[in-house]
Amino acid sequence: QSVLTQPPSASGTPGQRVTISCSGKNSNIGSNTVSWYQQLAGAAPKFLLNSYNQRHSGVPDRFSASKSGTSASLAISGLQSGDEGDYYCAVWDDSVNGPVFGGGTKVTVL
Amino acid sequence: QVQLVESGGGLVKPGGSLRLSCEASGFIFSDYFMAWIRQAPGRGLEWIAHISGSLDIVYYADSVKGRFTVSRDNAKKSVSLEIDSLTAADTAVYYCVRGPTLVQGLLADLWGRGTTVIVSS
Repeated sequence: QSVLTQPPSASGTPGQRVTISCSGKNSNIGSNTVSWYQQLAGAAPKFLLNSYNQRHSGVPDRFSASKSGTSASLAISGLQSGDEGDYYCAVWDDSVNGPVFGGGTKVTVL
Repeated sequence: QVQLVESGGGLVKPGGSLRLSCEASGFIFSDYFMAWIRQAPGRGLEWIAHISGSLDIVYYADSVKGRFTVSRDNAKKSVSLEIDSLTAADTAVYYCVRGPTLVQGLLADLWGRGTTVIVSS
């Protein structure tokens, strides 16, 4: 069971906006910057952006992040077939003095 | 080219040991923490260890503490993960990553392609 809670799946049609939530506690999301990762089929994960919307090189601004209290979210606007994959949130957790991940959300483009 | 390349994975019998290595290029290696993250088949990501550039900070997840040892050689721009007393639960793809860089709000901003460890008799 993951420390951070994400929905197992999310879906949308091409062009739609999809939002993925990530829920935690005061010791993690409530206190620190949340990072988001994309893992396409058969590939290694890749850093997308963090909750300050600092994007990794080449990540389009269709991807945006936000954080409020002990929850964070990743939004994908203008959904494309190439966005299909698994998305993970992660954050430093002060209670374990180390990073923790969410269980991942599988995004499907219908 | 900024990249991380892992090696050392393979098929190992339960109870055995393995040493994974990661070679870095394209950035000032000693300036960064380096970490290992693993992903069991069909499962999510698990941050298992990291080490600071100055070698004075080492972290292990509770799930691997006592069996895993992370080390680095800044002169060779490499980081290693020694795994002892392997069990089937250690079967996973092991990723070498750069980070965390907390002052910049980053955890793992650069990933290798991973190396696969299979524990089976």
